[in-house]
Amino acid sequence: DVKVTQSSRYLVKRTGEKVFLECVQDMDHENMFWYRQDPGLGLRLIYFSYDVKMKEKGDIPEGYSVSREKKERFSLILESASTNQTSMYLCASSQPAGRNMNTEAFFGQGTRLTVV
Amino acid sequence: GQSLEQPSEVTAVEGAIVQINCTYQTSGFYGLSWYQQHDGGAPTFLSYNALDGLEETGRFSSFLSRSDSYGYLLLQELQMKDSASYFCAVRDKNYGQNFVFGPGTRLSVLP
Repeated sequence: DVKVTQSSRYLVKRTGEKVFLECVQDMDHENMFWYRQDPGLGLRLIYFSYDVKMKEKGDIPEGYSVSREKKERFSLILESASTNQTSMYLCASSQPAGRNMNTEAFFGQGTRLTVV
Repeated sequence: GQSLEQPSEVTAVEGAIVQINCTYQTSGFYGLSWYQQHDGGAPTFLSYNALDGLEETGRFSSFLSRSDSYGYLLLQELQMKDSASYFCAVRDKNYGQNFVFGPGTRLSVLP
């Protein structure tokens, strides 16, 4: 059974803390993604990585950074947590796309982060 | 860039058929996908249309018309367990092969 695992389901952190969200996939996928999900706003892309040590900014990268030292692991870092970063964070992985090849995104269960 | 639009909510009764529409503006994409997300759960893949036309998977079907920049998800013989949020998504050809998701449609199935 393929799996994307996020290290925590729920986290409560204080304003100003440095926060690490970990994501591990066991499917040997090249592409990995971090999204945040907020009511009414859908899934918004924070950062993505298409290979080890490669990273690209998504639509809302401010206040975040990422690390991908190994193919299976993609970490999201909140440099100094703020209350507006309270959200559901979803990690996903996939194979690279092809013309007619379905390459679905596999998601982790999500981390509900509350910054107080 | 890519942007997708969906209705925010749809309500239907058990046994009925419901169609969730998705319109998009895109500069290039591989195909249109649909994902289902139950409350508290992760999005899970439902269907994919690489080419125009209808794809059927059990009670669910999905349609794509590239000329109309339009797709839909059709759910038949609705069951209570189908109550969830449904997202359409495209895979961007031009920007790192990202998945770009619509805002989601909340489907409520009533008894």
